[in-house]
Amino acid sequence: GQNIDQPTEMTATEGAIVQINCTYQTSGFNGLFWYQQHAGEAPTFLSYNVLDGLEEKGRFSSFLSRSKGYSYLLLKELQMKDSASYLCAVRDEGYSSASKIIFGSGTRLSIRP
Amino acid sequence: GAVVSQHPSWVICKSGTSVKIECRSLDFQATTMFWYRQFPKQSLMLMATSNEGSKATYEQGVEKDKFLINHASLTLSTLTVTSAHPEDSSFYICSAGDREAGELFFGEGSRLTVL
Repeated sequence: GQNIDQPTEMTATEGAIVQINCTYQTSGFNGLFWYQQHAGEAPTFLSYNVLDGLEEKGRFSSFLSRSKGYSYLLLKELQMKDSASYLCAVRDEGYSSASKIIFGSGTRLSIRP
Repeated sequence: GAVVSQHPSWVICKSGTSVKIECRSLDFQATTMFWYRQFPKQSLMLMATSNEGSKATYEQGVEKDKFLINHASLTLSTLTVTSAHPEDSSFYICSAGDREAGELFFGEGSRLTVL
């Protein structure tokens, strides 16, 4: 079975740092994605982790621990435009573009001034 | 970068009619495309995997006869919602993977409202 868990909602302050956690239990694992989705829009790609460790990309970083089935997305220097839903997704088998990607329920992040 | 385009962005139809949504990969060939559905404040639920030149693979609980998928070429997949009902109102999103990149790119989404 497939199970991807992340908090439903989080709130943070502009300029601060926030960490969004994701745990997964899937039949297979071949990579973990983080996507950002603003209301009414399609998701946009943020990061992709296939090996353990931290991947940094500007204000956003993503961490993966395959042995623990755990990932987090770290957002620094928060801006009001970062208010969005953040989706954790796992590719369950194979590395090709034909492999299914299963999404978690998403975390709605609200940034307050 | 790779671009996936969906059409129409918005569609309103009467109950009982059929609606077709197109998904195109604009600058790469996609042998596989995925169709997702998203209800308000919920995450994306995979409906089916669209395979070029063969039948689509549907997820459990998705009606094959209601959601018809055609992947006639390497750049186009279509989803037809047949005999639509108000409960089919949702945000439908397609995605396609660049074979070399392995990354999944999303279309803009199509918001369907069935009256």
